[in-house]
Amino acid sequence: AQSVTQPDIHITVSEGASLELRCNYSYGATPYLFWYVQSPGQGLQLLLKYFSGDTLVQGIKGFEAEFKRSQSSFNLRKPSVHWSDAAEYFCAVGAIGNEKLTFGTGTRLTIIP
Amino acid sequence: SQTIHQWPATLVQPVGSPLSLECTVEGTSNPNLYWYRQAAGRGLQLLFYSIGIDQISSEVPQNLSASRPQDRQFILSSKKLLLSDSGFYLCAWSDLATSNYGYTFGSGTRLTVV
Repeated sequence: AQSVTQPDIHITVSEGASLELRCNYSYGATPYLFWYVQSPGQGLQLLLKYFSGDTLVQGIKGFEAEFKRSQSSFNLRKPSVHWSDAAEYFCAVGAIGNEKLTFGTGTRLTIIP
Repeated sequence: SQTIHQWPATLVQPVGSPLSLECTVEGTSNPNLYWYRQAAGRGLQLLFYSIGIDQISSEVPQNLSASRPQDRQFILSSKKLLLSDSGFYLCAWSDLATSNYGYTFGSGTRLTVV
């Protein structure tokens, strides 16, 4: 069965600092990987996704993620966070033909001035 | 382009009252449709998903039901709400075609049962 682990429940970073959110997955087939962001009271917005090819993918809002098959990881990064990045971040895994994505439990990001 | 609409945005209902949340998708045909719930401070719980009209799978047995009367319409219902039904409900659609694979979420409904 597929699973996603986001080991950090809550992360606090200073505005302007770099950010890395961790995501580890377990999946028997070649995974399709996603990062979503949820602002308070809002739905989830897709930040980026990885299907194949270049293992470093660029997303919206200056985010990027790197797929590392050997480590079963898909960590999200941003070189310099802004106060507006404060939100909940979800990693998800799926595969073509699989009707459902499996989500991690989320990481809440707090930005301090 | 595809859009997903979910309503109402907020709802306050008394215990024992019925519930109907609606979700519609535009700009695509035969989408997969999903209902998720988020309890306060918790992750996403898949409630129902549908791969076609009248084809609905229930993930968690509970006080809720779902229906898909039209290809792009997905309804979440309850006959009698419980306090534990409070939460943030999200509808999503997915296209299994490679280029569009993945979920697109609606803006959510905040349900408070009092």
